[in-house]
Amino acid sequence: KQEVTQIPAALSVPEGENLVLNCSFTDSAIYNLQWFRQDPGKGLTSLLLIQSSQREQTSGRLNASLDKSSGRSTLYIAASQPGDSATYLCAASPLYSGSRLTFGEGTQLTVNP
Amino acid sequence: NAGVTQTPKFQVLKTGQSMTLQCAQDMNHEYMSWYRQDPGMGLRLIHYSVGAGITDQGEVPNGYNVSRSTTEDFPLRLLSAAPSQTSVYFCASSSPVWGLDGYTFGSGTRLTVV
Repeated sequence: KQEVTQIPAALSVPEGENLVLNCSFTDSAIYNLQWFRQDPGKGLTSLLLIQSSQREQTSGRLNASLDKSSGRSTLYIAASQPGDSATYLCAASPLYSGSRLTFGEGTQLTVNP
Repeated sequence: NAGVTQTPKFQVLKTGQSMTLQCAQDMNHEYMSWYRQDPGMGLRLIHYSVGAGITDQGEVPNGYNVSRSTTEDFPLRLLSAAPSQTSVYFCASSSPVWGLDGYTFGSGTRLTVV
């Protein structure tokens, strides 16, 4: 059974800092890995999708990497802003089936002005 | 706007009542799924579907029923509501043609069972 873990559970940083959020998974036979953002009381917004054949994806100030051999993914946020404050979730889908996701519990990020 | 639409946004039920949470998508996605989100437990898969007429159980299926008669709709039925089903429910859809946008989530239904 796939298990996804995110460390740290919470993170508070000053504005402008570069930061890394970590995601680890126990079963390396994944189809892809997706990072989401969730604001309080809201739904999930997709940030980046990394297919199993890829090593990283970039979107603006965000960069996500994937290392299947070590069972790890990282989300790098450059020059953090107060608007980046949210909970960040990673989720993995199993090999040969992209029909379902296993989520980590998320990292709650606070960026202080 | 294209996306996943969930109704209702909020609902209060009494123990033993039944109800249906609606989910519709207009992106012609084959895959649809339901998750519940609880504090300290993250999002957990309830049921999922890989196409019209095909459904399967996820991690926490007990007390819930689903059907998929069309590509667009994937309703979640609570057969006899229990306080343990108090949660936020999210519906999601995706395409098996990878390289597109991955999963799209609805805005959620906040359910309270008293």
